[in-house]
Amino acid sequence: GAVVSQHPSRVICKSGTSVKIECRSLDFQATTMFWYRQFPKQSLMLMATSNEGSKATYEQGVEKDKFLINHASLTLSTLTVTSAHPEDSSFYICSAGGSRRSSYNEQFFGPGTRLTVL
Amino acid sequence: SQQGEEDPQALSIQEGENATMNCSYKTSINNLQWYRQNSGRGLVHLILIRSNEREKHSGRLRVTLDTSKKSSSLLITASRAADTASYFCATARTYSGATNKLIFGTGTLLAVQP
Repeated sequence: GAVVSQHPSRVICKSGTSVKIECRSLDFQATTMFWYRQFPKQSLMLMATSNEGSKATYEQGVEKDKFLINHASLTLSTLTVTSAHPEDSSFYICSAGGSRRSSYNEQFFGPGTRLTVL
Repeated sequence: SQQGEEDPQALSIQEGENATMNCSYKTSINNLQWYRQNSGRGLVHLILIRSNEREKHSGRLRVTLDTSKKSSSLLITASRAADTASYFCATARTYSGATNKLIFGTGTLLAVQP
């Protein structure tokens, strides 16, 4: 399968600061990238979908002004958690899709970023 | 919530036994996928079954799909300690005619005792 990386793998920040997480598709061009959030012992919840060069589409209940998504190129999407608070502490996972390798447009998942807000 | 449900929530078995996990979902789908997640790690894609398929095999994995009941099952045969992980089903619906949008189930935590 295709390779998707995330950076950083874990980050600890103080309450009120902003944190940027990068998601890169390393060996294919991803027309669509997805951002998920996973709380401990829970499932993945889709936060937003981003297409290269256009605004992200957010799921119901996700604040777009708090979770800024930029999909500036076919290989890079960023998620910025603005004014982070302890309740934003979670495991953030991205996935990339749109590869021509799969007729069903399989998503390839990054390894995740563990965010801890103190 | 559109999220699917899985049962059991947790399953503990002995090495060599079979493990069966069930997934129910709510909407029409293009395909259903199963993923594995080791603790604190990313997801590994296991198998995909299309909406017009009823059963699919991949190594020790067997997946069934019943679209009339909106349910799927994942069977892992001859389990190994290394199969210990969380397993999620994810249903896919077409998003803007392009990449499928995935909705994940609640997950089953499988523990295989050596």
